[in-house]
Amino acid sequence: GAGVSQSPSNKVTEKGKDVELRCDPISGHTALYWYRQRLGQGLEFLIYFQGNSAPDKSGLPSDRFSAERTGESVSTLTIQRTQQEDSAVYLCASRKTGEKGNEQFFGPGTRLTVL
Amino acid sequence: GNSVTQMEGPVTLSEEAFLTINCTYTATGYPSLFWYVQYPGEGLQLLLKATKADDKGSNKGFEATYRKETTSFHLEKGSVQVSDSAVYFCARSGGSYIPTFGRGTSLIVHP
Repeated sequence: GAGVSQSPSNKVTEKGKDVELRCDPISGHTALYWYRQRLGQGLEFLIYFQGNSAPDKSGLPSDRFSAERTGESVSTLTIQRTQQEDSAVYLCASRKTGEKGNEQFFGPGTRLTVL
Repeated sequence: GNSVTQMEGPVTLSEEAFLTINCTYTATGYPSLFWYVQYPGEGLQLLLKATKADDKGSNKGFEATYRKETTSFHLEKGSVQVSDSAVYFCARSGGSYIPTFGRGTSLIVHP
């Protein structure tokens, strides 16, 4: 079956523009996560979805960031009025919940460059 | 809170050398432990995992043993290859739906 997919793979935008990043999780995975990874750095947690609700938004860096999820399917991460410090790779992961030890499956990421 | 600490990189080795990347975790509850690998330009992928004490995860010649007494999950490989060059992340899950990741350790293997 297909893995986690993300689109676009690369996005170059101008400062101040809005961008929308998409994640298609593995079918049947109820948990979905967004992370930010700056160049050469580790993972920065942004938001977690269980189904289409987001019990933990604690990692969103500012109110310019928002995310939504349709059912147990596609999620979009929106960054409004982008700033240069938003430049990073945005990774999405999904996980099947209900069993101990289920791992996360990551997408290839969207590389965002804000000029 | 939950945390994972792994050794800082980069770790630079010659081909066929022995690899150890240290990882320790907070002992809250009964976490599952993971090693993920990230090759250049890609997302993370699971390398191996262990769900209870004394379990050994293994894959592609890599091994890690869940040590409850030392709260450790060190990654080892007996003979590294150039193709193993990547960033390795240790992670724990349990007690929360949000896994905790270490900061990542870059491995560079020279021919």
